[in-house]
Amino acid sequence: AQSVAQPEDQVNVAEGNPLTVKCTYSVSGNPYLFWYVQYPNRGLQFLLKYITGDNLVKGSYGFEAEFNKSQTSFHLKKPSALVSDSALYFCAVRDKNSNNDMRFGAGTRLTVKP
Amino acid sequence: GAGVSQSPSNKVTEKGKDVELRCDPISGHTALYWYRQSLGQGLEFLIYFQGNSAPDKSGLPSDRFSAERTGGSVSTLTIQRTQQEDSAVYLCASSLASGVNIQYFGAGTRLSVL
Repeated sequence: AQSVAQPEDQVNVAEGNPLTVKCTYSVSGNPYLFWYVQYPNRGLQFLLKYITGDNLVKGSYGFEAEFNKSQTSFHLKKPSALVSDSALYFCAVRDKNSNNDMRFGAGTRLTVKP
Repeated sequence: GAGVSQSPSNKVTEKGKDVELRCDPISGHTALYWYRQSLGQGLEFLIYFQGNSAPDKSGLPSDRFSAERTGGSVSTLTIQRTQQEDSAVYLCASSLASGVNIQYFGAGTRLSVL
């Protein structure tokens, strides 16, 4: 079965600084990887996904994530954080060769301070 | 409708009562998911429906929890004999199919068990 770990409950960065939200995964086969974001009092929204091909994936709002197979990681990054990026971020994984569906991480709360 | 709709948005109940939570997925989406989001617990998978296949119930925490999906569309999550630890936000999502397809989330039902 697949699983995801988000080792940081909370990430704090200053506006304008680069941000990284970490994610590592475990699957028996090859993964599909996703990032979702949850703004306050809102449902989860899709941010980006890795299926195959280029390891660097670009998504909405200037976010990107890099798939690293050797480190089984899919960290979310943004070169310059905005206060409006403050939200709860979830990483998710699905095994390509499995009938099981996606499993989400516990979430990381990102706070960007002005 | 334009998105995934969940009702009620808030539900307050007494310990021991049964509750039903409803999810209307996006029209044409064959996959439907239920998750539970608790404070400090992240996003917990509950159950997954895909077309006419038997649902994946592996995430249901106890036999007090059940879900059905009628006509391949609307789904109802039922919690019998509610307990205080059932208090959480229950999220529903749908997608065109499983696998690489993006899940679209509803705003959730906040359940409070007194």
